[in-house]
This record gives sequence, C-alpha cells and structure tokens, in this order.
Amino acid sequence: DQQVKQNSPSLSVQEGRISILNCDYTNSMFDYFLWYKKYPAEGPTFLISISSIKDKNEDGRFTVFLNKSAKHLSLHIVPSQPGDSAVYFCAASAGSGNTGKLIFGQGTTLQVKP
Amino acid sequence: EAGVAQSPRYKIIEKRQSVAFWCNPISGHATLYWYQQILGQGPKLLIQFQNNGVVDDSQLPKDRFSAERLKGVDSTLKIQPAKLEDSAVYLCASSLGTSGGGKNNEQFFGPGTRLTVL
Repeated sequence: DQQVKQNSPSLSVQEGRISILNCDYTNSMFDYFLWYKKYPAEGPTFLISISSIKDKNEDGRFTVFLNKSAKHLSLHIVPSQPGDSAVYFCAASAGSGNTGKLIFGQGTTLQVKP
Repeated sequence: EAGVAQSPRYKIIEKRQSVAFWCNPISGHATLYWYQQILGQGPKLLIQFQNNGVVDDSQLPKDRFSAERLKGVDSTLKIQPAKLEDSAVYLCASSLGTSGGGKNNEQFFGPGTRLTVL
C-alpha cells in the first residue's frame, strides 16, 4: 500500500524556468510533509517542510503548496538552476507526539538543462 | 558539525553470507533510524531507536535482520543470511527528537551503504 506517491519518475526543465514536482498521499492522518533532495552517492538532505495547518511555505527559490482536500502537495523551484538536478523525495508523517516515522514517495529525478 | 557517518560505503557479498553495517549519528541526537532504499523506490524505515530503546521495528524482517544501539549512540545493522532481494542502499539517519514532524524531528541522513548480494 503506497501511502505517498510521486507519479512522475522524471522531469526535465530548462535553466531559469519553473520546476514543479508533485506528490499525492492517501492517509488523512498525515499532518506534516517534507521534501528531501538526493544527489548520487549521498544521503537525502532536508529541503523544505510544511505543516497541515498551512497551505504554503516558502524558502528562497523553493515553495511547497499543500492541498489537503485533494491530498496533494507540490514543490515549486523558481528559477531552476543546473545544481538543482537531483532526485527529490516527498515524505509524510502522522500525528504530533507520534514516533516521527516518515513515509517516503518513490522519488522524482529532476534534470535542469543549462 | 559532523554529519551522520556510515561504513562501509560499499559491500558485495554472496547470498546466504552475513553482513554488518555501522552508523554513528550526529552528536546529541537521541533518535536513530535505519532505512532500506531499493533502486527506484523511496527509503523504507526498517527500525527506529530512541536512545537505546526500539521505538518501531514493524518493517524489520526479524528472521534475518537485527539491529542494536548500545549506549544510545552508535548502531549496527546486521543481515544473516542475506538474500538477493536485500540488495539496496542502507541509510542511517538521526534526529534530535521524535515529536511529530516538527523541527526536532528533522532527520539528517548519512551517505548510505550500497549492498550488492550476488
């Protein structure tokens, strides 16, 4: 049962344009969502997060949008840079006070072309 | 601040052999996680420690996998005997705490150990 899904395995955009990565979830108990970025031969690194009480969180070039009714979140990168080329994982956790267990999506490989 | 350390970085073994991975978390981080990442999939939690106690091991194949975190710091993950389907990257992560998804729960990952079972 895939509770967090990233249906696009890959995405290619031109440098300077917007990158939009999507993530869907099925568990309505999820209340915290995170995006991680992973370069080859490295572990994932935290990028940005959002609590379910918000619908948008912005950090520099990165913005995460949450649509709870649709159980959908997206990560926008504007403008995209070649250094953003990596695998992006969406993750979710459920319930404050829980163990903090993260459920990850399958990942989307972003390629930003110069 | 030093990150999460893991060793070895790569390991190749034959099926039915045993293997062990080591993880040293960020200093002061109470919570330690082991994940399995199979090619083309996201990381899947195998086991979670809070200090030296197990919080969640519901997805750990206990007939062949074991893990310990002695003294609440370093941790080892062992597979015995290994199967072909155990080929994956094994990621260790640590966080300050476990309170829901807040900043205290932000997980910092090590570089991983790539295991190939032949």
